[in-house]
Amino acid sequence: DPKIIQKPKYLVAVTGSEKILICEQYLGHNAMYWYRQSAKKPLEFMFSYSYQKLMDNQTASSRFQPQSSKKNHLDLQITALKPDDSATYFCASSLHDRGSQNTLYFGAGTRLSVL
Amino acid sequence: GDQVEQSPSALSLHEGTGSALRCNFTTTMRAVQWFRKNSRGSLINLFYLASGTKENGRLKSAFDSKERYSTLHIRDAQLEDSGTYFCAAGTGGYKVVFGSGTRLLVSP
Repeated sequence: DPKIIQKPKYLVAVTGSEKILICEQYLGHNAMYWYRQSAKKPLEFMFSYSYQKLMDNQTASSRFQPQSSKKNHLDLQITALKPDDSATYFCASSLHDRGSQNTLYFGAGTRLSVL
Repeated sequence: GDQVEQSPSALSLHEGTGSALRCNFTTTMRAVQWFRKNSRGSLINLFYLASGTKENGRLKSAFDSKERYSTLHIRDAQLEDSGTYFCAAGTGGYKVVFGSGTRLLVSP
């Protein structure tokens, strides 16, 4: 059973629309992340959250807004979609603790195509 | 910003042979992780290292924070080892930066 669930797996959107990418983790982790991988580029860090608080934001555009309704949820709302937003968006989590190995675990990703 | 330089970008191996992947860091990293992206696009954890070496089957990884590099050695490569391998490292905060990946193809 996957422990990090991302929904949907595939998503097609029109330019200018708004979409929400869903992520839930059942690993008991306290930190969650969003990464993006565009074609032929490495995974790009976007956000990190710990106990539902924003820790790092490397995304310049305010069109990308994480939403955390519960400790094990970190959704990603994207507004005013552009074709350049087409990418696979990966959610990850870790038990981020001073004494622990902060291993990242990834979901299967949501492949977004903006037409 | 923090950079992770991964090499080679692509690697072809015959079954039974081996090679090494390498990541160099432009700053002192506190830990490194290695992943394999499988054919379904899922990122599979291989190793997490804060120092030293770890071995798991035919894979062995090393991390030297002071010298700013990490390696992943594959020996006796099998067809199912094919995929894209990534290293990722962080300075201790929440941000973890990925290398650009090594696409490995193992052929009979």
